[in-house]
Amino acid sequence: KAGVTQTPRYLIKTRGQQVTLSCSPISGHRSVSWYQQTPGQGLQFLFEYFSETQRNKGNFPGRFSGRQFSNSRSEMNVSTLELGDSALYLCASTWGKMAGGLDTQYFGPGTRLTVL
Amino acid sequence: GQQLNQSPQSMFIQEGEDVSMNCTSSSIFNTWLWYKQDPGEGPVLLIALYKAGELTSNGRLTAQFGITRKDSFLNISASIPSDVGIYFCARQLGIQGAQKLVFGQGTRLTINP
Repeated sequence: KAGVTQTPRYLIKTRGQQVTLSCSPISGHRSVSWYQQTPGQGLQFLFEYFSETQRNKGNFPGRFSGRQFSNSRSEMNVSTLELGDSALYLCASTWGKMAGGLDTQYFGPGTRLTVL
Repeated sequence: GQQLNQSPQSMFIQEGEDVSMNCTSSSIFNTWLWYKQDPGEGPVLLIALYKAGELTSNGRLTAQFGITRKDSFLNISASIPSDVGIYFCARQLGIQGAQKLVFGQGTRLTINP
């Protein structure tokens, strides 16, 4: 079974540009979450999507947005990039049970974004 | 409230040594998760703990959920080079099925051969 895939793996942008990152979850998983990892702030939750709806959101500015498609693939977008947006962006997928309970999140390898 | 304090931040050990790291929180919660992140990869779940006092092993790894439900530790016995990486504790928050992980700052493990 293929794992979580993220594209691209590396990306270099300049300040003010926008960027779109893609995540394909494990087959059958319906929930996709995004995390930002930086040396200073560590791993921080951005948002979670389930059945094309944002179900949970972290404390990030509105420049960070996402969406999920009917095949559960997800994209996140960062507009008006700032130097501080340089980070490893990770996505994770789960079954996303609706009835509560917890299930394991499986992470992709991440996209390394560098903003110059 | 949700912050997890993980220590130590880094460890430099000799191959074959045992390793111990821990995580504390000011609040009580129902799960402790331990992840490992290899260079250039995403975190991988090592051990999940769901019950106060629970002691769980995964090969050379052992983790325990503190009785107070505010702490957890992870031990690695007889370390080997492939144990190098960053270890994170985490709690998983779920509200009506929504999932969110809150991570500690991580413990970076370096092994001298």
